Amino acid sequence: ILNVEQSPQSLHVQEGDSTNFTCSFPSSNFYALHWYRWETAKSPEALFVMTLNGDEKKKGRISATLNTKEGYSYLYIKGSQPEDSATYLCAFIRGSGYSTLTFGKGTMLLVSP
Amino acid sequence: DTAVSQTPKYLVTQMGNDKSIKCEQNLGHDTMYWYKQDSKKFLKIMFSYNNKELIINETVPNRFSPKSPDKAHLNLHINSLELGDSAVYFCASSRAPLGGTEQYFGPGTRLTVT
Repeated sequence: ILNVEQSPQSLHVQEGDSTNFTCSFPSSNFYALHWYRWETAKSPEALFVMTLNGDEKKKGRISATLNTKEGYSYLYIKGSQPEDSATYLCAFIRGSGYSTLTFGKGTMLLVSP
Repeated sequence: DTAVSQTPKYLVTQMGNDKSIKCEQNLGHDTMYWYKQDSKKFLKIMFSYNNKELIINETVPNRFSPKSPDKAHLNLHINSLELGDSAVYFCASSRAPLGGTEQYFGPGTRLTVT
């Protein structure tokens, strides 16, 4: 069983605050890391696919970094808006031997106006 | 147009029955997946097919059998349903297997076994 941990479990911020979450994963046999945004009553929606150590990706106010050697990725949201309220999931993909994908349990973000 | 669709959206059935959930994607993707979201909202991969070939088969009871008649379809058949099978099942697809490309998820099928 692969250990993919996300922290914090939940977060409540005010509109305009910047915030960040962490995804920790095994540092061996890394192939890729995905970030997804999952709004209540909807389906997960892809944010980023990250494959290289040191990768930095950005989409609007959301960005992510990747450190495969130490096994973590950060997701940053700058100037949070109420519409950013969702659960943010990371998924670790192991690339050696039996390849599989493991989701973390997510960070639930609530942004209050 | 819906990219990844699942039918039915809701399924209520009794223990012991056999049921199927259908998934179709119109994105031209080669790879499709089935996930189970358990009672703690945790998403766990069950199966993955690439070009109609099974490439991931996680520890899932053999009452669950995926079937891929073509690249655009991946159906999930469940025999002898049990109470513990109650969950939301998500289908997804991607252009390439596993981690190389992002996945597109269907709307989910909420299965309730009574």
